[in-house]
Amino acid sequence: EVQLVQSGTEVRKPGESLKISCKASGYNFMSYWIGWVRQMPEKGLEWMGIIHPGDSDARYSPSFQGQVTISVDKSIAAAYLQWSSLRASDTAMYYCARLTGIVPGNSYSGLDVWGQGTTVTVSS
Amino acid sequence: DIVMTQSPLSLPVTPGEPASISCRSSQSLLHSTGYNSLDWYLQKPGQSPQLLIYLASNRASGVPDRFSGSGSGTDFTLKISRVEAEDVGVYYCMQTLHTPQYTFGQGTKLQIK
Repeated sequence: EVQLVQSGTEVRKPGESLKISCKASGYNFMSYWIGWVRQMPEKGLEWMGIIHPGDSDARYSPSFQGQVTISVDKSIAAAYLQWSSLRASDTAMYYCARLTGIVPGNSYSGLDVWGQGTTVTVSS
Repeated sequence: DIVMTQSPLSLPVTPGEPASISCRSSQSLLHSTGYNSLDWYLQKPGQSPQLLIYLASNRASGVPDRFSGSGSGTDFTLKISRVEAEDVGVYYCMQTLHTPQYTFGQGTKLQIK
């Protein structure tokens, strides 16, 4: 079964660092992009960025460039989203999702597999 | 950034009746490959989003055929031919024209009357 399993709920204080994970199984991790999506409380979906595990090519939405770092560990088929200094405004649910391609065409079929989400709460 | 505008934002529907959601983009989503870079997702209450339609009109695997997508350029529509109780949730359109500057619509909340 193709799955993305995310790490558990996190509670941090402002200024602290954090790294959450998204572990893939059931498919060739190296062949698909992984994207990250933010959902603030009672709000809609926001696109953060993507990474290709094959060459660690990470690309960020302008709104999140410099605010987070997306990385992978190919040896354990995991993708990561990290913050060096959290803010209260980072409080949200974060989803990872598999992206079949970035060029619309025969090899593209959207964000077809999603993780269960990781809740991040930042509060003093 | 490309701005995605959905309407309506709230959609009460009687079971068995059809439903339609509009999604408009601030610029054309027609890629040079000839495909429209527009996907539709459904987020059911308490769940992760799930893919319904990709490239404007292709149903994802396992999606019932009562769901259909259409449109090109800047105007797109998601239609449900006969709404069922399990279709409640928030529907989002998403454009993927320019990597990585993807954007979602605001979401349309479908409720059962």
